[in-house]
Amino acid sequence: EAQVTQNPRYLITVTGKKLTVTCSQNMNHEYMSWYRQDPGLGLRQIYYSMNVEVTDKGDVPEGYKVSRKEKRNFPLILESPSPNQTSLYFCASSSQRWFSYNEQFFGPGTRLTVL
Amino acid sequence: DQQVKQNSPSLSVQEGRISILNCDYTNSMFDYFLWYKKYPAEGPTFLISISSIKDKNEDGRFTVFLNKSAKHLSLHIVPSQPGDSAVYFCAASAGGGSNYKLTFGKGTLLTVNP
Repeated sequence: EAQVTQNPRYLITVTGKKLTVTCSQNMNHEYMSWYRQDPGLGLRQIYYSMNVEVTDKGDVPEGYKVSRKEKRNFPLILESPSPNQTSLYFCASSSQRWFSYNEQFFGPGTRLTVL
Repeated sequence: DQQVKQNSPSLSVQEGRISILNCDYTNSMFDYFLWYKKYPAEGPTFLISISSIKDKNEDGRFTVFLNKSAKHLSLHIVPSQPGDSAVYFCAASAGGGSNYKLTFGKGTLLTVNP
């Protein structure tokens, strides 16, 4: 089954304790992205990657890191989480066919609480 | 500066009637628009899209209309069903050939009452 998976689905942590949220897709997609969803703010892009070893900042990258060492994986790293990073996080992927628009497939979400 | 705006946080309609969800954008470089639907505890799923070279796209009960001069698009659902109750996000891309960056609106919660 074609899918985007995220782990963990739920995480409660404390300020300053490094954490990683994993994202994996089995569709051989070139493009992957991380979003956060907050009440009243909708979905905002954190980072995206157009292919292996190619990443770039989205609209709200502060406090986050990413890496893309393999095509299928795109982990989101919070080196020193703070309470304002409490949010619902979504990973997404899509193929990257030129001159063709490709919808993004989203994972189920990771609800993160930073105390 | 919010480039994609969904000014109605919520909408309630009766089953069988038409649902109209609206979206406005400010960036004239946007050339592709998408609607995503999101149920609680799930990720958004793609619903329908439209390129800026068109003014209408239909897919079953769902139709998206684009008015480029007004920088406005709308999603029509006819007839509305209780299973359509979800949050709907409007999104736009200025990809010019690839959609590496989507800008989303804040979403509209649609409730379809039986």
